[in-house]
Amino acid sequence: KAGVTQTPRYLIKTRGQQVTLSCSPISGHRSVSWYQQTPGQGLQFLFEYFSETQRNKGNFPGRFSGRQFSNSRSEMNVSTLELGDSALYLCASSRGDSQETQYFGPGTRLLVL
Amino acid sequence: QKEVEQDPGPLSVPEGAIVSLNCTYSNSAFQYFMWYRQYSRKGPELLMYTYSSGNKEDGRFTAQVDKSSKYISLFIRDSQPSDSATYLCAIKNTGFQKLVFGTGTRLLVSP
Repeated sequence: KAGVTQTPRYLIKTRGQQVTLSCSPISGHRSVSWYQQTPGQGLQFLFEYFSETQRNKGNFPGRFSGRQFSNSRSEMNVSTLELGDSALYLCASSRGDSQETQYFGPGTRLLVL
Repeated sequence: QKEVEQDPGPLSVPEGAIVSLNCTYSNSAFQYFMWYRQYSRKGPELLMYTYSSGNKEDGRFTAQVDKSSKYISLFIRDSQPSDSATYLCAIKNTGFQKLVFGTGTRLLVSP
């Protein structure tokens, strides 16, 4: 069974630009969660989508948004990029049951200049 | 106070040693406990997943949860250089997919 895939793997953007990251979950998984990982803050939860609806949201500004499609693929968008948005963005998928754990993709490394 | 506390290390051990990695957490509502391993520039890989208190063993790995002390541990027996990575504990509430992570402990196993 194929794992979680994320594209692109690396991105370089400048301040003020926007960026869209993509995540394809494991086949059969309907829940997709997004996390930001930085050396200073570690891994922090951004939001979770299940059946095309945002089900949970972390403490990030509104510049961070996401969506999920009917095939469970998800995209995350960051508008008006700031230097502090430089991070590894990780996507995790699960079947969506609260007892299930999550499986992570390789991440997208974003550098904001 | 952070919800999950984890010593960042690094923890350096010789090959073959028994490694003990630990986390403490503050919210007694957490029910699910996980350990992930993350190699440099890779995504976290699930190692162990336990529910409530008790022990769980998988090969060289043993996860232990003590809910009364709010303390979780991961033991690695016969450690190998390939175990050198960052180990992240993560906890979760029932009904939520949000994982709360520790900062991660960097482990270095020397040959």
